[in-house]
Amino acid sequence: ETGVTQTPRHLVMGMTNKKSLKCEQHLGHNAMYWYKQSAKKPLELMFVYSLEERVENNSVPSRFSPECPNSSHLFLHLHTLQPEDSALYLCASSQDLEGEQYFGPGTRLTVT
Amino acid sequence: DAKTTQPPSMDCAEGRAANLPCNHSTISGNEYVYWYRQIHSQGPQYIIHGLKNNETNEMASLIITEDRKSSTLILPHATLRDTAVYYCIARRLVSIQGAQKLVFGQGTRLTINP
Repeated sequence: ETGVTQTPRHLVMGMTNKKSLKCEQHLGHNAMYWYKQSAKKPLELMFVYSLEERVENNSVPSRFSPECPNSSHLFLHLHTLQPEDSALYLCASSQDLEGEQYFGPGTRLTVT
Repeated sequence: DAKTTQPPSMDCAEGRAANLPCNHSTISGNEYVYWYRQIHSQGPQYIIHGLKNNETNEMASLIITEDRKSSTLILPHATLRDTAVYYCIARRLVSIQGAQKLVFGQGTRLTINP
């Protein structure tokens, strides 16, 4: 247990669906991150939030929409995804933007 | 961030020390060496980091060469649970707005054999 939880752990959705991924950290950290890990590819940073403000958007398509309502919660809203968006989506948190990151277990997303 | 180079795979016998090398010949003076690992189907796990001195914690030891162009992560008594992909990352820590990215490469797939 890293102190970072993600729900759901598995998600199958059609291309016309709207769903949301949830991340919660119980570490009192101020920074949170979304990563994407596709099969046989390195982790890719998607979004970074610090003190609930987005500080990085790594050229991610608009069909992915992050939300950080407070420093403990991070959401990734999904709509009209493509099959190539199927991947493991990982959330992480760190004390600040310089600290080591602690990852959640990930959500395995399959887009059909 | 400096590029790092790691062997794609390694094997180690259970109970032995696992020594994982990493080359980072273009590392700059303010870049730290970070190690993470990812066990199958789980999120990456932070292991250790260092700048120029050797570091040790409850999980591992990190040996950085004097010229800082390479480092070795040492798992002193490897167990089957240490089977994972290990990532070596060079990362600057600068207090500016905007995160310092963790750039994950392909890592080393370490297999601990019984």
